[in-house]
Amino acid sequence: DVKVTQSSRYLVKRTGEKVFLECVQDMDHENMFWYRQDPGLGLRLIYFSYDVKMKEKGDIPEGYSVSREKKERFSLILESASTNQTSMYLCASSLGYGGVETQYFGPGTRLLVL
Amino acid sequence: AQSVTQLGSHVSVSEGALVLLRCNYSSSVPPYLFWYVQYPNQGLQLLLKYTTGATLVKGINGFEAEFKKSETSFHLTKPSAHMSDAAEYFCAVSSGGSNYKLTFGKGTLLTVNP
Repeated sequence: DVKVTQSSRYLVKRTGEKVFLECVQDMDHENMFWYRQDPGLGLRLIYFSYDVKMKEKGDIPEGYSVSREKKERFSLILESASTNQTSMYLCASSLGYGGVETQYFGPGTRLLVL
Repeated sequence: AQSVTQLGSHVSVSEGALVLLRCNYSSSVPPYLFWYVQYPNQGLQLLLKYTTGATLVKGINGFEAEFKKSETSFHLTKPSAHMSDAAEYFCAVSSGGSNYKLTFGKGTLLTVNP
């Protein structure tokens, strides 16, 4: 079974702090994704990576950056957290090339920015 | 550009009743279509997907969906609801190929009443 783990289930941070969210997958998947989930808005793609050190912006990249130094690990960074970044963050991974593959999701990190 | 519309943010059924969750999509190329389910406090998991071939797709837990190109629809059904089906359901579309992006609908919360 594919396993995608996220470093924290719940996180509370203060405005202006630098926040790191970590995601690890154990199935040697090429592709990794970060989504943000908000009530009534569904899932919105922040960034994705299709290879080590490669990244592409999704629909809402502003205020976020990412890092992928190793194939199994994909980090989401909030350079200076703001209250409007309070949300559920979901990481996902998929095998192979293109958008036909199933994405496997982690359990999510619920971030509260005060 | 691709988009997904889920009709009804909240659907309530009785245990044993038919479940019908509606999804319409927009895509400029032949789409790949997915239904994901999210149980409380968990990440998303794949229910079923349509890529090519047979338009009636069977998934896990007795769910199925039919791709209707003329209606640009991919509605999810289950003949008899069970209490354990209570969850949020997301329809998603991808244009495949080199495009990794999966566009999600806003979700439908399914409540099952005893």
